[in-house]
Order: sequence, then structure tokens, then C-alpha cells
Amino acid sequence: TQLLEQSPQFLSIQEGENLTVYCNSSSVFSSLQWYRQEPGEGPVLLVTVVTGGEVKKLKRLTFQFGDARKDSSLHITAAQPGDTGLYLCAVKSGTYKYIFGTGTRLKVLA
Amino acid sequence: DAGITQSPRHKVTETGTPVTLRCHQTENHRYMYWYRQDPGHGLRLIHYSYGVKDTDKGEVSDGYSVSRSKTEDFLLTLESATSSQTSVYFCAITPAGTDTQYFGPGTRLTVL
Repeated sequence: TQLLEQSPQFLSIQEGENLTVYCNSSSVFSSLQWYRQEPGEGPVLLVTVVTGGEVKKLKRLTFQFGDARKDSSLHITAAQPGDTGLYLCAVKSGTYKYIFGTGTRLKVLA
Repeated sequence: DAGITQSPRHKVTETGTPVTLRCHQTENHRYMYWYRQDPGHGLRLIHYSYGVKDTDKGEVSDGYSVSRSKTEDFLLTLESATSSQTSVYFCAITPAGTDTQYFGPGTRLTVL
């Protein structure tokens, strides 16, 4: 059983469209992270959300942590081809370990 | 760039052979991790280290061992590779006092 379920698994959209991807769990977390991974590279941290209901913006990307701290969403406004990649959510489990979600693979067509 | 390199970057090997992957970091970080990445599974933790000679298992450790004899190197060994271990392997570090993981470029391993 995957602790963090992401949806959709795949998403292909046209440049300029908006989209939202989700990260869901039945567990409560103290914080949650979003990473983006481009083809042939390792994931890179985009943001960490720590407070229930928190909204963070990073240019055209808006991240929200659920009120109950069990889920999170990532909304992209006016998607561009440069947004193409694999989006992963992650949480810390215990003192040292991290758990990653299943990922949403986004392709933005020019 | 957290100064993380992985070697080799690509390897093709045969079932039953031993394989060692190396992760090298230049910034003296204490915490190091090995993950594997497979379609539909995201990243799954194999082993991690919280100091020299201090290692522990992750969620998919069967068939893998690790060693960390010095701070800068974290080695992942497949004692007898199987086709199910075909994957992309990522090394990561976490700087002390943060929860940010920095990843290496990955090693693509194919076991025939």
C-alpha cells in the first residue's frame, strides 16, 4: 500500500492550459514537500508546506496543504513546455527517512 | 548543486553477477540515501546512512547491501543481481538541520 497516492498518474495538456495535481494520504503529516524531476535528472525541491491550509506560490505554481494536513495540491496556471516533468510529493517519516508519492508525469505541448 | 556524483551512470550486467554503485559527495553531509525509481512507484528508499558506519534499511532493502567507510562515499551493492533490480538508482543527501533532499544524477542499471 502506497502511503502517498498522486493523481492523475499522467497528464498531457496544451500550452496555456491550467492544471491541478493531487497528493493524498490517510495519514497526517507535519509537513509535505513537492519536487519536480526532469528527464535524465534527479528530483529538485520546489516547496515545503508546513501549516494546515497553507498556500504557497512560486511564480505560476500554487501549492496548498490541506486543512487536516493529509493532502496537498499543486496548481499550474498557463502551463508552458518548460513545466514538463515528473511531479513528486514527499513527506518525512521518522527521524531520517522520507517517503515519496507515486508521481504525476506532466507533458505540456507547444 | 550539492556536489553529488554517481558512478557508473549506466551499467548493463547479467543475472547473478555482483554490482556496486558509488555515490560520492564533496560537502561532508552526514545523511545519505539510496533510492530506486520505477514506473508507477515514484522513489522507493533502499538504504540510508546517518554517519560513517551507521546505516539502516529502507522499504525495499532485500537483495541490497550498503557500506559507508568514509563520509564522502556511500556504496550500494547488489550481491547477485536479478532482473527485478533493473531500475534507475538515485543517491541523495540531506544537509543537517534541513528536510531538503538533494539528488545525484542517477545510475541506470539493466540486468539481463
